[in-house]
Amino acid sequence: AQSVAQPEDQVNVAEGNPLTVKCTYSVSGNPYLFWYVQYPNRGLQFLLKYITGDNLVKGSYGFEAEFNKSQTSFHLKKPSALVSDSALYFCAVRDLSGGYQKVTFGIGTKLQVIP
Amino acid sequence: GAVVSQHPSWVICKSGTSVKIECRSLDFQATTMFWYRQFPKQSLMLMATSNEGSKATYEQGVEKDKFLINHASLTLSTLTVTSAHPEDSSFYICSASGPNPRETQYFGPGTRLLVL
Repeated sequence: AQSVAQPEDQVNVAEGNPLTVKCTYSVSGNPYLFWYVQYPNRGLQFLLKYITGDNLVKGSYGFEAEFNKSQTSFHLKKPSALVSDSALYFCAVRDLSGGYQKVTFGIGTKLQVIP
Repeated sequence: GAVVSQHPSWVICKSGTSVKIECRSLDFQATTMFWYRQFPKQSLMLMATSNEGSKATYEQGVEKDKFLINHASLTLSTLTVTSAHPEDSSFYICSASGPNPRETQYFGPGTRLLVL
């Protein structure tokens, strides 16, 4: 079975400060990890993904995420937060072993950037 | 990235009627489409996975006779909520991807359904 944990319901950060949204995962095989962002009453927008290679993945809108196998984490980061980054962020995982499987989403973390 | 559209973006209907929601991949061929349901302040719940030309695979607890899914072409999947009831009111989101398990899922903007 695969699972994703986003331990923080909400993260508050001042505009211009660095932000981190935490995610840990559990899979039996090799993970395929994603971050998506959702604005109110909208679908999810893809930010970035990790399959293999460099542990630091760069994505859209200046976001990046660091894959840490030993800690089974895939935290989302941005050096300088913008008010427009305020949204709901979802971490997701797919287990690549054993063929195609569904993606499991975390419960989401609300990011509030304070002007 | 790839673009996925949904229509309608919102719908209000009377209890007992059926509602059809369309999901289209606009610039790629979607071998696989997914239908999710999202409750307020909750994560996405996968309802079913559909592959073009074959029957959808429903998740445990999802009534296949109530939520009819058709994936007739590589660019279109439809979800029909039959005999809708107020408890079916929700935000329905589709996503689409190609045949490779390593391909990203791209999401539609969602459809807000309100059953009166």
